[in-house]
Amino acid sequence: DIQMTQSPSFLSASVGDRVTITCRASQSIGSHLNWYQQKPGKAPKLLIYYTSFLQSGVPSRFSGSASGTDFTLTISSLQSEDFATYSCQQSISTPRTFGQGTKVEIK
Amino acid sequence: QVQLVQSGAEVKKPGASVKVSCKASGYTFTSYDINWVRQATGQGLEWVGWVSPNTGNSGSAPKFQGRVTMTSDTSINSAYMELSSLRSDDTAIYYCARRTASGWNDAFDIWGQGTMVTVSS
Repeated sequence: DIQMTQSPSFLSASVGDRVTITCRASQSIGSHLNWYQQKPGKAPKLLIYYTSFLQSGVPSRFSGSASGTDFTLTISSLQSEDFATYSCQQSISTPRTFGQGTKVEIK
Repeated sequence: QVQLVQSGAEVKKPGASVKVSCKASGYTFTSYDINWVRQATGQGLEWVGWVSPNTGNSGSAPKFQGRVTMTSDTSINSAYMELSSLRSDDTAIYYCARRTASGWNDAFDIWGQGTMVTVSS
């Protein structure tokens, strides 16, 4: 199985901050990496697919990039509605695997 | 609108089975696989498996093989996940999710609201 490791597990930030979350794959997955946002009591929501493509309706302050097996989700200017947990997921092979999540909280 | 609506919460005893349903609307049900993902309280997301409503084919993560059955009924646009020999560590929210696999987009783009399954004696 491909292991996905996210860092940090927890992040405290203020509105307007630039936030970066990293996800590392245990082996090469090309660009087959998706990001999801999940708010308490809600189902996950697809934000970014194939490393850097924004899902329809997702604000442009979200972006994704990669360097080898390291993937990054960036929020350019954190808004109040962005406080949530973010998870990465590889889609190159089964079983599909997710990172453990990064919780973004208000400082 | 495109949506997946799941069945209600379940409480089961250890060793029992549970069957969760997921009803699709707003799109052509047979055009997309349905995947199942679970989340224990305070934990990350864990992929359980998938079913193709078009072919009836299914597959699951190795840890669930032999214990999980995923099916679909195209006459009522519904998918099902049945998990048997329940243990306390199966207690989790179970989500169904539509897999979109178009070009580079291979992700879970529509999710159900989740079904809480509690396993307790």
